[in-house]
Amino acid sequence: DVKVTQSSRYLVKRTGEKVFLECVQDMDHENMFWYRQDPGLGLRLIYFSYDVKMKEKGDIPEGYSVSREKKERFSLILESASTNQTSMYLCASSLSLSPQHFGDGTRLSIL
Amino acid sequence: GIQVEQSPPDLILQEGANSTLRCNFSDSVNNLQWFHQNPWGQLINLFYIPSGTKQNGRLSATTVATERYSLLYISSSQTTDSGVYFCAVGRSNFGNEKLTFGTGTRLTIIP
Repeated sequence: DVKVTQSSRYLVKRTGEKVFLECVQDMDHENMFWYRQDPGLGLRLIYFSYDVKMKEKGDIPEGYSVSREKKERFSLILESASTNQTSMYLCASSLSLSPQHFGDGTRLSIL
Repeated sequence: GIQVEQSPPDLILQEGANSTLRCNFSDSVNNLQWFHQNPWGQLINLFYIPSGTKQNGRLSATTVATERYSLLYISSSQTTDSGVYFCAVGRSNFGNEKLTFGTGTRLTIIP
């Protein structure tokens, strides 16, 4: 079974802090993704990566950056957290042209 | 970008009933997936189905790519089927496996 693990289920941070969300997959998938999910807006893609050190912007990259130094790990970074980044963050991974598998999500609150 | 429309937005059924969920998309795709998000927020991949028909137990899905729609069938509903069902589509190639998600169908199964 594919296992995608997100480092925290719930996280509370303060405005202006630098926030790191970590995601690890154990299936040697080349593709990894970060989404955010908000009521009424569905899932929106922030960034994705198709290989180590490769990254591509998704639909809403502003205010975020990512890092993929190892194949199994994909990190999402909020450079200076703001209240409008309070959301559910979901990580996913996949092989090429194959199902995406999601982690359990991190519910992030920025105060 | 590709537009994805799901219908109906909400569905309330008695346990044991059958249901059909629809996903329409605005452009040709080679990647289409169905997901179930349970009440705890976990997203489970149900089908990877860019074309044709697949079955998995009480669930089946059909995609008619030439007519730009996909259907998800749930037979003999159980309370554990409750949650939100998402369709996601994309035009995937190496280095670009972006998916666009619909806004979902919320299914409630009443005992």
